[in-house]
Amino acid sequence: QKEVEQNSGPLSVPEGAIASLNCTYSDRGSQSFFWYRQYSGKSPELIMFIYSNGDKEDGRFTAQLNKASQYVSLLIRDSQPSDSATYLCAVHHSGYSTLTFGKGTMLLVSP
Amino acid sequence: KAGVTQTPRYLIKTRGQQVTLSCSPISGHRSVSWYQQTPGQGLQFLFEYFSETQRNKGNFPGRFSGRQFSNSRSEMNVSTLELGDSALYLCASSGTSGYQETQYFGPGTRLLVL
Repeated sequence: QKEVEQNSGPLSVPEGAIASLNCTYSDRGSQSFFWYRQYSGKSPELIMFIYSNGDKEDGRFTAQLNKASQYVSLLIRDSQPSDSATYLCAVHHSGYSTLTFGKGTMLLVSP
Repeated sequence: KAGVTQTPRYLIKTRGQQVTLSCSPISGHRSVSWYQQTPGQGLQFLFEYFSETQRNKGNFPGRFSGRQFSNSRSEMNVSTLELGDSALYLCASSGTSGYQETQYFGPGTRLLVL
């Protein structure tokens, strides 16, 4: 059973702080990793993906991947109230074209 | 490019009825995946179609079925609806961003079964 685990939260951070969202996965054959943001009542929207060990930055977002520890994280710098949403981690496994999603972490950014 | 479209956006049905949901992928995308999202279970994979063929299937009963047409549009059908089928049904079309296949979601169809 391929599993993706996320802390459900909520994770509460003040405006301007760094929010750190974490995800672990069970399948060592996993190849690429995605972060989606989902606002209440809306569909998930892609933030970024990563497939190599290390960090990948896109604006205020940084994804970090450690395949040895089977761990992927998303850092949001200078958090804004508009970042308040549920963040979904998804994993793409080798040999499959589908994604396995974690249940998401709710982030609350207070003004 | 236009995004993924799904119709209808909202549906109310009663137990025992059947329902058909439609998804039009992003132009040029040939793969369409369907997911069911509920508060308790999160996003669960239903099935994936590529070039009119079902390529992968999740762990759902046979009441859930789908198909894809030659223009890549896809439909999913749920027969003999149960209360537990109330959920947000999401369609995602897959395309390549750089070297990475990436899924983009439509707005979803919210189904309520009474």
